Amino acid sequence: EDKVVQSPLSLVVHEGDTVTLNCSYEVTNFRSLLWYKQEKKAPTFLFMLTSSGIEKKSGRLSSILDKKELFSILNITATQTGDSAIYLCASPPGGSYIPTFGRGTSLIVHP
Amino acid sequence: SQTIHQWPATLVQPVGSPLSLECTVEGTSNPNLYWYRQAAGRGLQLLFYSVGIGQISSEVPQNLSASRPQDRQFILSSKKLLLSDSGFYLCAWSAGTGHQPQHFGDGTRLSIL
Repeated sequence: EDKVVQSPLSLVVHEGDTVTLNCSYEVTNFRSLLWYKQEKKAPTFLFMLTSSGIEKKSGRLSSILDKKELFSILNITATQTGDSAIYLCASPPGGSYIPTFGRGTSLIVHP
Repeated sequence: SQTIHQWPATLVQPVGSPLSLECTVEGTSNPNLYWYRQAAGRGLQLLFYSVGIGQISSEVPQNLSASRPQDRQFILSSKKLLLSDSGFYLCAWSAGTGHQPQHFGDGTRLSIL
């Protein structure tokens, strides 16, 4: 059975802290792993990772994939209150239209 | 650019009443379409997906159904709602295979009384 496991499930930090969110996966014929940010409503796409060791970066957010150890991390540096959200990772089995989602990490950033 | 519209944003319904949630996509053709339910503190549970008009695949047996009467329209329905149908419902679209990012609507928060 394909599965995606995120840790921690929740995290509370103060502004300025750096956080690392984890996503491990076991999917058939792995091809990609995707990260999303969900604030109050719709999840929005952050990154898609397909190759090991190549960092994707957008502002203070970055992500990297390790296909040997089957995990990905999402780093957020100098956190701000606007980073408070649920962060979801997902991976579709090869040839599938259906991504398997993790349960998400709820991040709360206090001022 | 592509946009996705989902309505209503919130809905309060009595047990046993019918349901119709609608989702439309603009700016793309032949999208893959998805309905998810998200319980509080949980991940996304896929309910239905569709790769074309009239083609619906169900992932979880339940009293909900889905239809795709037009290329960019996806409807979630029920004839009789249960208390357990309460939750946050999200519609999404993607291009091509599941390896493309999904783009989500703003969701419908459904409360059953």
